Amino acid sequence: QKEVEQNSGPLSVPEGAIASLNCTYSDRGSQSFFWYRQYSGKSPELIMSIYSNGDQEDGRFTAQLNKASQYVSLLIRDSQPSDSATYLCAFHPYRDDKIIFGKGTRLHILP
Amino acid sequence: KAGVTQTPRYLIKTRGQQVTLSCSPISGHRSVSWYQQTPGQGLQFLFEYFSETQRNKGNFPGRFSGRQFSNSRSEMNVSTLELGDSALYLCASHDPGQIYEQYFGPGTRLTVT
Repeated sequence: QKEVEQNSGPLSVPEGAIASLNCTYSDRGSQSFFWYRQYSGKSPELIMSIYSNGDQEDGRFTAQLNKASQYVSLLIRDSQPSDSATYLCAFHPYRDDKIIFGKGTRLHILP
Repeated sequence: KAGVTQTPRYLIKTRGQQVTLSCSPISGHRSVSWYQQTPGQGLQFLFEYFSETQRNKGNFPGRFSGRQFSNSRSEMNVSTLELGDSALYLCASHDPGQIYEQYFGPGTRLTVT
């Protein structure tokens, strides 16, 4: 069974601090990993993609991938109240025609 | 480039009725996936279409069906609606290749009474 494990939260982080979101995935052969942000009542929005071990940075967001540990994380620096949302971790299993999504981690940025 | 569009955005139906939802992918994207999202179950994969063919199907009853047209637009149909079908239905498009980045539409909020 291919799956993604995420802590459902809520994760509360003070404004200006670093928010750290983590997930583990089951398929060792997977090559593509994604983070989606979903505001309440809205659809998921792709914010980061990562394909190789190490860090991938985009503005205040950094995605980190460790294939040996089957672990993906998302760091949000200088957290803002507008970052409060549910963050979905997802991966594309090897030789599969769909993406597997985690159930998401709710993040609250405290003003 | 215009994003993924879905119609209608909101729908209220009664048990036993059927419903058809529509999705237009991003221009140039030939693959469309459908998902059901509920608070308890998260995002659940329904099916994926590419070049008018269903390539993959999730674990949903046969009441859920879909199709894709030659212009890549897709529809999903739910027959004999049940209360448990109340959910946000999302479609996502991507251009098949090595990169599997999916982009979601705004969703259709279906309420079954």
